[in-house]
Amino acid sequence: QVQLQESGPGLVRPSGTLYLACGVSGASISDSYWWTWVRQTPGKGLEWIGEVYQTGNTNYNPSLRSRVTVSLDKSQNQFSLRLTSVTAADTAVYYCARAQRARYFDVWGKGTRVNVSS
Amino acid sequence: SYVLTQPPSVSVAPGQTARITCDGAKIGIKAVHWSRQRPGQAPVLVVHDDKVRPSGIPERLSGSNSGDTATLTIARVEAGDEADYYCQVWDNTNDQVVFGGGTRLTVL
Repeated sequence: QVQLQESGPGLVRPSGTLYLACGVSGASISDSYWWTWVRQTPGKGLEWIGEVYQTGNTNYNPSLRSRVTVSLDKSQNQFSLRLTSVTAADTAVYYCARAQRARYFDVWGKGTRVNVSS
Repeated sequence: SYVLTQPPSVSVAPGQTARITCDGAKIGIKAVHWSRQRPGQAPVLVVHDDKVRPSGIPERLSGSNSGDTATLTIARVEAGDEADYYCQVWDNTNDQVVFGGGTRLTVL
């Protein structure tokens, strides 16, 4: 059974950098999937952040592209999210997920809450 | 960029049929996927590629997609169906996933 687990700090200072990792068990990060980050701001809907493929190819939400990097760490069988210049608007629950080629998410992590505050 | 529009809320009595719509320009030519999110939980895939149910999803849930509207239909609604439902597509013009705003299904 494939499982994903987010990890990282729950508090980030404004103008700082948010860094999260997603550990993958039961599958290899080198398998043919799009490894994805999605977030949900308090009381709001889902927002797609970006994705990375086994080859290292990436796609990003245009509204976040200038601040986002999603990358693979094959040695740790995990992938990561880096979001720079954060503000209170980046406070959210962050989910990692596995996407099939058609971009439907068949496996989700439980989510991790990140608060941007001084 | 591509926009998906869902009604904010749908209410239905137990045993009745709920229909949750997802409107988008020519959405009928795209593959539409649906996820269910219960309070405090991560989303769960319930339908992909318009009408395919993953293992473990009951036949009461079904999907359709034509023209400018995709629909998730939940027959014989139960209290456990109460949740937020999101549609999504791949926007191949801008190479991004697009989510609808979500619909809260309330079981009366």
